[in-house]
Amino acid sequence: QSALTQPPSASGSPGQSVTISCTGTSSDVGGYNYVSWYQQHPGKAPKLMIYEVTKRPSGVPDRFSGSKSGNTASLTVSGLQAEDEADYYCSSYAGSNNLRVFGGGTKLTVL
Amino acid sequence: EVQLVESGGGLVQPGGSLRLSCSASGFTFTSYNMHWVRQAPGKGLKFVSAIITNGGSTYYADSVKGRFTISRDNSKNTLFLQMSSLRAEDTAIYYCACGYNFAYDYWGQGTLVTVSS
Repeated sequence: QSALTQPPSASGSPGQSVTISCTGTSSDVGGYNYVSWYQQHPGKAPKLMIYEVTKRPSGVPDRFSGSKSGNTASLTVSGLQAEDEADYYCSSYAGSNNLRVFGGGTKLTVL
Repeated sequence: EVQLVESGGGLVQPGGSLRLSCSASGFTFTSYNMHWVRQAPGKGLKFVSAIITNGGSTYYADSVKGRFTISRDNSKNTLFLQMSSLRAEDTAIYYCACGYNFAYDYWGQGTLVTVSS
């Protein structure tokens, strides 16, 4: 059982928007603005897409955006493209004892 | 170009030991806390262990505490993970990773550890 809860799957048609949720507790997601999101294609290492809840690293398209409300963070992918089909993982800082927790991952399918 | 290259994975029997290495280049290794993250086959990502820049503090997931030891050699830009008393549930791809802002900006390609008789 993962520390953070994500839906196992999500889908959308090209051009549409999809939002993936990530629910934790006040000890992780709700307690810190250190939520990050990772994209992982099959057989590849994860890639950072969002950090500090809303910030995008250089080179990540602005179609990807993040937000947080209470103990739930969200990743929104707008203008879906075929190459967005991948697994997405959220992660949060969880204090000096647990350091990092991850969600179980969401498989995004572009229909 | 930032590179993290893991090595040392392989097949090991239950109860055995293995030492993973992660060679870093393209960035100032001594400026980054370093982490190990693993991914069991077909499963999600899980934090394993972390070490601060000077090696003075280390952190472990409960599932590996007492069995795994993280260390680093800043003179050689290399991160290590000594794994002992290995169990079947330790079977996974092991990634080294680092970054700022409590996120993992950089990842290695991973090294596969298989624990099986």
